[in-house]
Amino acid sequence: DADVTQTPRNRITKTGKRIMLECSQTKGHDRMYWYRQDPGLGLRLIYYSFDVKDINKGEISDGYSVSRQAQAKFSLSLESAIPNQTALYFCATSVRDEAFFGQGTRLTVV
Amino acid sequence: SQQGEEDPQALSIQEGENATMNCSYKTSINNLQWYRQNSGRGLVHLILIRSNEREKHSGRLRVTLDTSKKSSSLLITASRAADTASYFCATAPYGGSQGNLIFGKGTKLSVKP
Repeated sequence: DADVTQTPRNRITKTGKRIMLECSQTKGHDRMYWYRQDPGLGLRLIYYSFDVKDINKGEISDGYSVSRQAQAKFSLSLESAIPNQTALYFCATSVRDEAFFGQGTRLTVV
Repeated sequence: SQQGEEDPQALSIQEGENATMNCSYKTSINNLQWYRQNSGRGLVHLILIRSNEREKHSGRLRVTLDTSKKSSSLLITASRAADTASYFCATAPYGGSQGNLIFGKGTKLSVKP
């Protein structure tokens, strides 16, 4: 089983819908992240959390919210999805600056 | 925001040749890392070099860091078709939130059999 698991792996949703992407990890790391990847733009940080009570905005947090339900779980929500949120989303954990990534969620907003 | 910039954006070589990718960044760092991404999949950590190190090796990988030029290079020797992937540098900014990695846009490497 993967150490960092993202669900769903693929999702197509309509504009205006609320959607949640989930991430769970078995590595026991305190630090968790959500990144977005767009072609030609690399990875951009949306939100990060250093423990259950610590949530921080990243470079592109507008239109997104997160919830750290437990050390092992970090979910990303799009309250009202829009087409330019179509992207590949990655959850990651880290320890001593090394990051461990999930397999990604490909989200399409139509 | 600070971001590493990889160069070239794309690189195509024959199997057995060496592949060199470069990364430039803007501000002081604690460390710099290289990651690999197979098409559409999650990134995998390859190697980390600290700001007080100049060179590091791991198998067929060689990483150099020049903090005076704010640049790093990743050399893959004797490349194989299985090395075909995108390669990203990531920096941990000095004085920034520890563990907050800033990624570049990546170099897409194609190794032809």
